[in-house]
Amino acid sequence: DQQVKQNSPSLSVQEGRISILNCDYTNSMFDYFLWYKKYPAEGPTFLISISSIKDKNEDGRFTVFLNKSAKHLSLHIVPSQPGDSAVYFCAARGYGNNRLAFGKGNQVVVIP
Amino acid sequence: EPEVTQTPSHQVTQMGQEVILRCVPISNHLYFYWYRQILGQKVEFLVSFYNNEISEKSEIFDDQFSVERPDGSNFTLKIRSTKLEDSAMYFCASSAAGADYGYTFGSGTRLTVV
Repeated sequence: DQQVKQNSPSLSVQEGRISILNCDYTNSMFDYFLWYKKYPAEGPTFLISISSIKDKNEDGRFTVFLNKSAKHLSLHIVPSQPGDSAVYFCAARGYGNNRLAFGKGNQVVVIP
Repeated sequence: EPEVTQTPSHQVTQMGQEVILRCVPISNHLYFYWYRQILGQKVEFLVSFYNNEISEKSEIFDDQFSVERPDGSNFTLKIRSTKLEDSAMYFCASSAAGADYGYTFGSGTRLTVV
């Protein structure tokens, strides 16, 4: 089951620079997309979401872009901070249900 | 900040034994979930629970699994006869209004079946 795909499993970025995480999906019935951050020994923490009727949502240093025609979304973190070092999961939800389909996650390391 | 609490943090059990994983969701949340993550794999949906009944379940959630909200505060996942492949990190989550606002996840229970 590869409905949500996150390639490039790890990313290293200098503090202050931009981190860009990508996510592709295959299910055209997905209507809501979320990004989660996870530290070791903790559960995923909700970061930001976007509805399929929008193409951009911004919250502080985090911006999510959605390209429905390409079935692609991305998370931009700018400026990146050392505390952003974590695993980032892309998740998607289909219309009318509450189950989330997760990607495998991207490890982000922010170098001070 | 309110949080979802899971106990125990680590459970080791013998194959074939029953285990109960416990969760205390955020008190005013109405939707409850279990997810699991096998080592090296992605987080997978198991079940959602609303209004004292299962609202959705995945193909993973077979007859060996059950959930219960016994007392209005706890939310439990029972695995009747554990298998080696049930070894995983199990996450409980809750939300106020479905997935639209993002769930709050607990820190997880690491289940090891030997």
